[in-house]
Amino acid sequence: SQTIHQWPATLVQPVGSPLSLECTVEGTSNPNLYWYRQAAGRGLQLLFYSVGIGQISSEVPQNLSASRPQDRQFILSSKKLLLSDSGFYLCAWSVLGRGPYNEQFFGPGTRLTVL
Amino acid sequence: AQSVSQHNHHVILSEAASLELGCNYSYGGTVNLFWYVQYPGQHLQLLLKYFSGDPLVKGIKGFEAEFIKSKFSFNLRKPSVQWSDTAEYFCAVRLNSGNTPLVFGKGTRLSVIA
Repeated sequence: SQTIHQWPATLVQPVGSPLSLECTVEGTSNPNLYWYRQAAGRGLQLLFYSVGIGQISSEVPQNLSASRPQDRQFILSSKKLLLSDSGFYLCAWSVLGRGPYNEQFFGPGTRLTVL
Repeated sequence: AQSVSQHNHHVILSEAASLELGCNYSYGGTVNLFWYVQYPGQHLQLLLKYFSGDPLVKGIKGFEAEFIKSKFSFNLRKPSVQWSDTAEYFCAVRLNSGNTPLVFGKGTRLSVIA
């Protein structure tokens, strides 16, 4: 069966510090991968998605970047965190392509607090 | 661009009351529709989904949703809620083409009181 891991689970970082959040998927190959940010009352905002190694689509211009160095690894980064980067970050995966299998499966999330 | 509207930010119901959460989307083409639920402290998980066929979709835990194409709606229903249904509910839409990501609504928080 497929599983998705995110770490760390929680993170407290000072303003201006770098960020690296990691997401890995097990039990599947060539998944679509996604990063979302969840903020209270604002739902899930899609940040990045990837259909393959090195292929990243950015949905919202901001202080963050994403990379996919391996098929089942997706990394969210920042060079200098802002207060507004605080939030709950969710990684998700789905089967490549369309059809009845293209629901998204979510990881446990990382709670980021920028002070 | 696609958008998803969930009209209720917070719904409070007593146990055994009936539930209907509204969801409307803005895209006119073929779409896939989803409801996800996030119980306190848990992952987002799929409640039900619609791809084609019967517009009345049954999901887990007694939930159902009806796709009304003419109204661009996909409302979630449950005839009798339980305290354990307390959670946040998200409607999501996906274009039925290629690898497009889900677009989520802002969510509706449901609180069920005894």
